[in-house]
Amino acid sequence: KAGVTQTPRYLIKTRGQQVTLSCSPISGHRSVSWYQQTPGQGLQFLFEYFSETQRNKGNFPGRFSGRQFSNSRSEMNVSTLELGDSALYLCASSLTLQGTYEQYFGPGTRLTVT
Amino acid sequence: QQQVKQSPQSLIVQKGGISIINCAYENTAFDYFPWYQQFPGKGPALLIAIRPDVSEKKEGRFTISFNKSAKQFSLHIMDSQPGDSATYFCAASISGLGADGLTFGKGTHLIIQP
Repeated sequence: KAGVTQTPRYLIKTRGQQVTLSCSPISGHRSVSWYQQTPGQGLQFLFEYFSETQRNKGNFPGRFSGRQFSNSRSEMNVSTLELGDSALYLCASSLTLQGTYEQYFGPGTRLTVT
Repeated sequence: QQQVKQSPQSLIVQKGGISIINCAYENTAFDYFPWYQQFPGKGPALLIAIRPDVSEKKEGRFTISFNKSAKQFSLHIMDSQPGDSATYFCAASISGLGADGLTFGKGTHLIIQP
């Protein structure tokens, strides 16, 4: 099976702009989670989608939003970019069946805000 | 805020030695404890995971030891190899539908010297 794919892999944006990142989960996985990774804060949970509904949300401002499509693909949007949003954004997919909780990560999108 | 504390931050081990990374958690509701391995430029890869109903789980050279009363768990890498050089993250979550995302430790940068 193909793994989690994320596009684009690298992105450079200017402060104040907005950005959309895309994630395609492993085939058959219905849950998609997003994480932000920075050297200072480490890996932090942004939000999780299951069957096109956001089920959980981490402690991030409303500038961070996402959605999931009927084919389980997900997008994450960050509006009004700030310098501190520079990070590796990781997507993880999961089967979310009873007794199965493993999350599998994609390679990430490296976002640089200048 | 829920936390997972990981130590050490960095670790140097000779080839063939045992690498040990420790984590401690606060939230007793956590019931799923995975370990991830991350190489530069890659997303985290799931190594091994444990549930609190067992005290130890072994997969190849990787072993998780779990101490529920102390709220601690650790990763042991036996016969450490240069290819094991990577950053390792412990994590914890509350499993089940609608669960929160993974809460990660800050990571351990492991170097295996040949």
